[in-house]
Amino acid sequence: GIQVEQSPPDLILQEGANSTLRCNFSDSVNNLQWFHQNPWGQLINLFYIPSGTKQNGRLSATTVATERYSLLYISSSQTTDSGVYFCAVGRGTYKYIFGTGTRLKVLA
Amino acid sequence: SAVISQKPSRDICQRGTSLTIQCQVDSQVTMMFWYRQQPGQSLTLIATANQGSEATYESGFVIDKFPISRPNLTFSTLTVSNMSPEDSSIYLCSVGTTAPSDEQYFGPGTRLTVT
Repeated sequence: GIQVEQSPPDLILQEGANSTLRCNFSDSVNNLQWFHQNPWGQLINLFYIPSGTKQNGRLSATTVATERYSLLYISSSQTTDSGVYFCAVGRGTYKYIFGTGTRLKVLA
Repeated sequence: SAVISQKPSRDICQRGTSLTIQCQVDSQVTMMFWYRQQPGQSLTLIATANQGSEATYESGFVIDKFPISRPNLTFSTLTVSNMSPEDSSIYLCSVGTTAPSDEQYFGPGTRLTVT
């Protein structure tokens, strides 16, 4: 099956700093999403981005499908950005495979 | 996007008992799924809940342990049977959309602790 690796596994930032999270996947996919899991466990949809670039406020994402990776950029980080960031990929059906996650802590 | 609710939000159960988790969606959806997230881990798909037929289970998950019902296009239940402490996890239901994109949306999850 498809393997999905995320890096770094853990990240600690000062408020206001920028960061880049990476998601590598081992085979071609036609669905890719980024999620933020807040400290209460809720999964929040950030981007649906099987290819190309999207931006939403301080967040942006880029997927290079031919090279099998996706990047999530967080600019001017805030304490509310803390939590775990997951990428999830899928092929054909909705059977998403979740990555290993990046645990982010933003310090005030 | 669909609004998804789950009940209960959390529970503490004795080993050997069973718990049924409900998932309600505010609109009709074709695709519904159940995931498990063990402490500190990523999410793993348990099964696809099929309306009007038996659920489709992923490798490592069996119907006797995780029976699933899907009586209509807005509702599903997952039962965790004969629980052990290893079943302590967050259980999440999700739905798949088709327009404008093939996205999944997740419910708030059920945090289960088995003692």
